[in-house]
Amino acid sequence: GENVEQHPSTLSVQEGDSAVIKCTYSDSASNYFPWYKQELGKGPQLIIDIRSNVGEKKDQRIAVTLNKTAKHFSLHITETQPEDSAVYFCAAGIPSNTGKLIFGQGTTLQVKP
Amino acid sequence: SAVISQKPSRDICQRGTSLTIQCQVDSQVTMMFWYRQQPGQSLTLIATANQGSEATYESGFVIDKFPISRPNLTFSTLTVSNMSPEDSSIYLCSVGTTTDTQYFGPGTRLTVL
Repeated sequence: GENVEQHPSTLSVQEGDSAVIKCTYSDSASNYFPWYKQELGKGPQLIIDIRSNVGEKKDQRIAVTLNKTAKHFSLHITETQPEDSAVYFCAAGIPSNTGKLIFGQGTTLQVKP
Repeated sequence: SAVISQKPSRDICQRGTSLTIQCQVDSQVTMMFWYRQQPGQSLTLIATANQGSEATYESGFVIDKFPISRPNLTFSTLTVSNMSPEDSSIYLCSVGTTTDTQYFGPGTRLTVL
């Protein structure tokens, strides 16, 4: 079955720097890749997603890139702010009509003021 | 995006008892899912809640332990039965749209003593 590996597990950056989180997936047929942000005590919030027919997508300070050949995708956050501090999860959609997602292990991002 | 609520938001229970968690969505959705998030861990899919029929469980999860109901397109319940301390987790419901996008509820934080 599908497996998603996420790195790093923790990431600490200075405010204003960029942060990059990387994920690899095993099933080459996967076609949907969302990213979630989970703040302490809250449920995961969808922040950006990308489909396999697109190589890059950007939304203000957040961007996601997808390399289908290498089966990896990355989240890029520019001009980080303390409120970006949270746990980030990547996921891959199983190519079926089930709607299932397989999640990475999560990255704890700390942005130091 | 859909607005999802869960009840209770948190609970502390004694081992051997059962707890039923409710998930309510503000609009009709095709798919509803239940996840478990153990302390400091990623999200693991328990089952897909099917409207009007039995839920579809993932490997490692059984109906006797996690019975699920979904009487209509906006509501579902998950029961955690005969609880032990190992069941202490965050339980999350999510809803899926026809475009694979999933949105999560705020979660139910369960502690079993």
